[in-house]
Amino acid sequence: SQQGEEDPQALSIQEGENATMNCSYKTSINNLQWYRQNSGRGLVHLILIRSNEREKHSGRLRVTLDTSKKSSSLLITASRAADTASYFCSWRNQGGKLIFGQGTELSVKP
Amino acid sequence: ETGVTQSPTHLIKTRGQQVTLRCSSQSGHNTVSWYQQALGQGPQFIFQYYREEENGRGNFPPRFSGLQFPNYSSELNVNALELDDSALYLCASSLYDKNIQYFGAGTRLSVL
Repeated sequence: SQQGEEDPQALSIQEGENATMNCSYKTSINNLQWYRQNSGRGLVHLILIRSNEREKHSGRLRVTLDTSKKSSSLLITASRAADTASYFCSWRNQGGKLIFGQGTELSVKP
Repeated sequence: ETGVTQSPTHLIKTRGQQVTLRCSSQSGHNTVSWYQQALGQGPQFIFQYYREEENGRGNFPPRFSGLQFPNYSSELNVNALELDDSALYLCASSLYDKNIQYFGAGTRLSVL
C-alpha cells in the first residue's frame, strides 16, 4: 500500500492536554501536509511543511518533519473539545499523486 | 466553508447499478481530484482532472470514470457498482500544481 502509517490510530485526552500524532511516509517528498476531518465530512487543510523545514507553527499547532526518518508529527497544544476530529498527514508520491495516511482519531473530553 | 460543493450528500444504490456524483469547484480553481474514503481509512486517490483532461489516476478500475466541464465542475461516474464501492466520495479543487486542496463535504454512497 502507498499509504503511510499514522499512530496512534486513536487518542483520547482531556481538555487542556496536548495531543501528539505521528506520521511515517515512504517516498522522497517536497512537502508534507496535515488535514483535519470532522466526523465523515470533508477534509480541511491545517498546515504545510516543506522538506527543507524542520518545524513549523500555526496557532496551537506545531508540526515537525524529519526527512531522514521519513516521519512527521503534529502537536496540538491546550486541546479543546472542538479539536475532536480525525487528523491525516499527506504527501505527493513520485507520480505526483496525493497520498494520505490512515489517520489518527482524536477525542478531546471536556 | 471551502467553496466546493458536492451532490448528492447521500445515495443508496444496488449492486450492478451506475451512479453519477457531482462536484462544483471553488471559484478560480482549474483542477479537480476525486477520492474514495472507506470507513476508518484515509482517502484514496481515484483521479485528477485539469482543463477537462484526466491528469493522473490511482489504482481504480476503468468502471470509475470522470468528466470535467469548461466551468471546472466535475462528475465521477461508477458503473457496475459493487458492494465494496460503498464509501464516502470526496472531491477536492485546487490550482494546478498547487499543493493545498480544498475539499467538499463528500457524497456517502451505500451499495446494497
